[in-house]
This record gives sequence, C-alpha cells and structure tokens, in this order.
Amino acid sequence: GQSLEQPSEVTAVEGAIVQINCTYQTSGFYGLSWYQQHDGGAPTFLSYNALDGLEETGRFSSFLSRSDSYGYLLLQELQMKDSASYFCAVRAGTASKLTFGTGTRLQVTL
Amino acid sequence: DAGVIQSPRHEVTEMGQEVTLRCKPISGHDYLFWYRQTMMRGLELLIYFNNNVPIDDSGMPEDRFSAKMPNASFSTLKIQPSEPRDSAVYFCASRTGRGRTNEQYFGPGTRLTVT
Repeated sequence: GQSLEQPSEVTAVEGAIVQINCTYQTSGFYGLSWYQQHDGGAPTFLSYNALDGLEETGRFSSFLSRSDSYGYLLLQELQMKDSASYFCAVRAGTASKLTFGTGTRLQVTL
Repeated sequence: DAGVIQSPRHEVTEMGQEVTLRCKPISGHDYLFWYRQTMMRGLELLIYFNNNVPIDDSGMPEDRFSAKMPNASFSTLKIQPSEPRDSAVYFCASRTGRGRTNEQYFGPGTRLTVT
C-alpha cells in the first residue's frame, strides 16, 4: 500500500512564503499531485510532478525528489484566500488512482 | 461544461434506511471515482470506474456499499442499510484518460448524515 505524511497545520502571515512538505512510501511510484480544499468545498487540482525538480504555476510551485520520496508545495505572496487544506496525493500502482495524504490546514493571518 | 454534478447535496436519513447518491461526470471523461471524506479517516477512495467498468473496489468498506455506472454519464453509490458511521461527505470525481497530470475534477459532494 501507500502512506503519506504531511504536517497537520501550518500558520503564516499574509504576504509571506510557506512550504508544505510531503513524504511518501509507495511502490510503483508515478507522480505526486497537490490539491487545495476550502472549508465546505471540494478538492481542486493545483499541480503534478512526475519528474524531479520544480514546477511553477503562478504563486504556487511544487517540487519532487523521487530518490528521497519527498515533495513540497511552495506558496508565495500568501493571501487570506489561501487559507485552506492542502493535500498531497500519490499516483502509484495501477497509475489510475490517487492515494491522498491527511492534509495540511494552512491558516493565513494578517 | 457544468463540471461534475452530484445529488443530493445534503441527505439526512435514519439508520437502516437505503441511501442513493448520484453523480454525473464531465462529458468525455473516461474515469469516475467515488471518495468518502471524514475528519477521522481523511479522503478515502471507495471505488473507481474506467469506461463504465469497475476497476478497483478495494476501498468499499463492506457489502452494504455498492456502486454502479450504467452509462458514461451517470453513476450511483448506494448504502443499504445505512449506519451512523456512514456519516461523511461523499465526493464523485472524474478525469480524462489523456493528459499528463491525471487531474481529477471533483463534484461539490454530498453531505450524508445518518441518525
């Protein structure tokens, strides 16, 4: 099976930079995804890494190190609307399904 | 496109009753996923379909749960009989079989409360 670890909570100030880490254990790894979920909402896709390195999409970047079974989501220029839960998810095994981490709740303060 | 559509958005039922959750995936998507989300267990995959065929139902908690996908535009998740521990938010998601990211598009969810 797969297991993922990410911090349960992170707090940061508006305008700052925050990094949310994710370590995973899995066999047949294909890629690591990140999803955002606001309270009462549905998860929405943020990014996907299949190869080592950094992927940048606007204020958000995601990094993967396959050799370390580790990735992170970097959020820059934090805004209040970024307060949400962030989930890492591995694509492995059959490569058609995702296994989600337990989520990191990000609180952005003034 | 309207996105993934789920109904009902909220369901309150009594223990022992049958519950049916419905999902319409995004047109043209080949894969459909059913998830359950609770505070204790997080976001769990229950079952997924590819081209209307169930591929992996290893996440279905027990025989009380069943899912069908009679055609490409409709799927149901049924719980019979329901129990209080089934209370959760149930999400349906779909994705295309093409593309690099395997991005899944989630519906708004059905919040189920079993009393």
